[in-house]
Amino acid sequence: DAGVTQTPRHEVAEKGQTIILKCEPVSGHNDLFWYRQTKIQGLELLSYFRSKSLMEDGGAFKDRFKAEMLNSSFSTLKIQPTEPKDSAVYLCASSLGGANTEVFFGKGTRLTVV
Amino acid sequence: SQWGEENLQALSIQEGEDVTMNCSYKTYTTVVQWYRQKSGKGPAQLILIRSNEREKRSGRLRATLDTSSQSSSLSITGTLATDTAVYFCATDRTNTGKLTFGDGTVLTVKP
Repeated sequence: DAGVTQTPRHEVAEKGQTIILKCEPVSGHNDLFWYRQTKIQGLELLSYFRSKSLMEDGGAFKDRFKAEMLNSSFSTLKIQPTEPKDSAVYLCASSLGGANTEVFFGKGTRLTVV
Repeated sequence: SQWGEENLQALSIQEGEDVTMNCSYKTYTTVVQWYRQKSGKGPAQLILIRSNEREKRSGRLRATLDTSSQSSSLSITGTLATDTAVYFCATDRTNTGKLTFGDGTVLTVKP
């Protein structure tokens, strides 16, 4: 029974590079979320999809962050160009959708930008 | 206690003790969810408590919700070293399933 799968688990990028993080949600889930987690800011929502449609593309993250969901079982988060302040853990999560539903998280991708 | 947009809290206790973590939220929500995150893992849901519920139990866990004061608590009885983790409360401000997370409480349970 697969949960949310994220790859890679760790990524090291040089400043200015383009990186793509990948996520496979739980099969049958309608909602998909990308969060960024840092010790200072905590969990911040980057993007939110419902049935593959982009519902929210977090304001402050719009310029260099782009999330896509080309099919119901795969999503990517592209950061272009990367900056050292992007160093964080990026979490993908999915749920059946709607209020009062449990959100299932992947293990995250730890990104370090040098 | 933790707030929607405020500082990370930390608690350190001995195994076997009981502990209560608090969460205050600033806007209306239909549900409060409590999550636990262990090192190197993503958050995992512990308890979901709806706005028409005052209390919810699951094993050693007990969550309460007071919508009038916009606060929730999570209690763990008879803590174990394996309860060491960061605990988050999360609210659904838009009633869509999109969660806003609190800053979390770092709980360390010493064996």
